[in-house]
Parts: sequence; structure tokens; C-alpha cells
Amino acid sequence: DTGVSQDPRHKITKRGQNVTFRCDPISEHNRLYWYRQTLGQGPEFLTYFQNEAQLEKSRLLSDRFSAERPKGSFSTLEIQRTEQGDSAMYLCASSLSEGLYGYTFGSGTRLTVV
Amino acid sequence: EDQVTQSPEALRLQEGESSSLNCSYTVSGLRGLFWYRQDPGKGPEFLFTLYSAGEEKEKERLKATLTKKESFLHITAPKPEDSATYLCAVQARGGYQKVTFGIGTKLQVIP
Repeated sequence: DTGVSQDPRHKITKRGQNVTFRCDPISEHNRLYWYRQTLGQGPEFLTYFQNEAQLEKSRLLSDRFSAERPKGSFSTLEIQRTEQGDSAMYLCASSLSEGLYGYTFGSGTRLTVV
Repeated sequence: EDQVTQSPEALRLQEGESSSLNCSYTVSGLRGLFWYRQDPGKGPEFLFTLYSAGEEKEKERLKATLTKKESFLHITAPKPEDSATYLCAVQARGGYQKVTFGIGTKLQVIP
């Protein structure tokens, strides 16, 4: 297993377009997390899955954002009607059980909205 | 609201010059405090979890300590390959998985 994979690595989109990102976690990890990181800031929590169930979602996450994890394997994060403020690095992480033993992060998808 | 404040924001050290990074936190019952390392263009890499005041953990040239209000990451005799941004994060008790990160300390070690 080569770790957490994210696709694409970079995405440039026009304002108002929809975008979808994919995350493939480490296969035996049942927990999956999405974070967003803007330049010069730390990662900001977006949402959490345990297997296929979305159990936690940030209050900051607008209705334009939706995430899924069908069958408890890969996950997708969709942003509808993108805005310039959505420009950021979107990070996916996974963990085997409680995240107290640390997450394994992917390298992220860098989104630029023009 | 959980808060994490890291200082300094940037630190430049000569190779071999030991120093410490500070992480002050406010959380409604600490479940765990984490240190991660992040290289440019990559996701954070897990270093340590600390659970209670007085706890210490070490890995190579890094040593993390924890008090009731802050954590320190001590770097002993750093090498250029230790250059990275070091992120501190906290998770609160209560069953929530959300982890709150600080903005990090960008460390540069000069040969």
C-alpha cells in the first residue's frame, strides 16, 4: 500500500463550475477525514467518515460542499458553484481506529478558482 | 471553541543550534495533542501524540513535552533536513473526531 492517494493533484476551474476530488485511503483504514488548508494556515476540519457513514461535519461547511464514501472505500468531495474563496489545498487523511495514533495524510488537491 | 497558537511563526537556525517551538492551546478537556511535520506541497506527517500533562515523547532529534496549557517541540542539534513547517493540533474529549490545528512554525535550518 502506497499511502493515501488524492486525485487530481491540481485543479483550476472557473468560478461557478462544479468540481469533484477523489481520495483513496490506506485500504485497512476505516476512518477517513477531509481537511482544507489555505496558504499560511493550518488544516481546517471539514468532515469525517467511519466506514461509509458520515458522522461529523464542520459547521463552517456550506451547503455547496458534499462528501461521500460509498462502500466505505474511496471518498469524493464535491464543491458546487465554486467561488474564489474555495481556492485552497484539500487534504484527505485516514486512520485505522481512533485518530489518536495520528492520521496519514495524502498530498492534497490544490484547487484554484479563477 | 478550541484554539491553538504557535510561536514563533518562523525560525531560522544554524545547523546544530538547538531550540524549541511553542504551542499554546485552549480546549474543553484535552483528549490528545498532536505534532505533525509538513513539507512544501505535501500533506502533514504525523510525529507524536501527547495525552496528559507531564508526558514526553522523543523521535530522533525531536522531543515533545506537554503541560496543562502548552506543548513544546524541542529540536536538538538540527540538520538541514529538519527544515519544514511544524504543526500542533488538539482534539477535545466528547467523542468528536475534529482536530484543530495551529498555523504552524516554519523552521529553516541553515548548513
